[in-house]
Amino acid sequence: AQSVTQPDIHITVSEGASLELRCNYSYGATPYLFWYVQSPGQGLQLLLKYFSGDTLVQGIKGFEAEFKRSQSSFNLRKPSVHWSDAAEYFCAVAAGAGKSTFGDGTTLTVKP
Amino acid sequence: EAGVVQSPRYKIIEKKQPVAFWCNPISGHNTLYWYRQNLGQGPELLIRYENEEAVDDSQLPKDRFSAERLKGVDSTLKIQPAELGDSAVYLCASSQRFLSSGGRGNEQFFGPGTRLTVL
Repeated sequence: AQSVTQPDIHITVSEGASLELRCNYSYGATPYLFWYVQSPGQGLQLLLKYFSGDTLVQGIKGFEAEFKRSQSSFNLRKPSVHWSDAAEYFCAVAAGAGKSTFGDGTTLTVKP
Repeated sequence: EAGVVQSPRYKIIEKKQPVAFWCNPISGHNTLYWYRQNLGQGPELLIRYENEEAVDDSQLPKDRFSAERLKGVDSTLKIQPAELGDSAVYLCASSQRFLSSGGRGNEQFFGPGTRLTVL
């Protein structure tokens, strides 16, 4: 069975600083990987996804993620964080059709 | 384009009472999902519909939960009777018909959720 681990429950960064959120997955075949963002009181919004090809994928809002098969990781990065990036971030892996398994999320706080 | 609509946004009930949640997916999206998100956790799939057919309800607690998607558009999720442990956010999502990837890559669009509190 597939699983996702987000090791950091809570991360605090200063505005303008770089950000990296970690995601490790467990899946026997080629993974389909996603990062979602959830603002308070809102649903999840897709930031980016990886299926195949270039292991560095670009997403919306200036985010990118790198797939590393050898490390079973799909870490999310942003070079310069904005206060509006404060939210909860979820990594997910899709196994079968419609079967996405989500991590427990990382809450990002941005200091002014 | 309107997103996924859910109502109510908040619901507070006493245990043993029934409750229902409604979802209207994005127009043209054939696939509809119901998730439960407990505090501090990621969403967990309860049921997935392809048009009006429930194709995956393996995680739905069928003794108290039921769902329907009449005419393959709107959907209702019901709990009867509610228990204290059902307090959570119930999210609805929709996506277009699966692509050749077997559907794994389809982007899901989420509604804002219904926050249920059972007292």
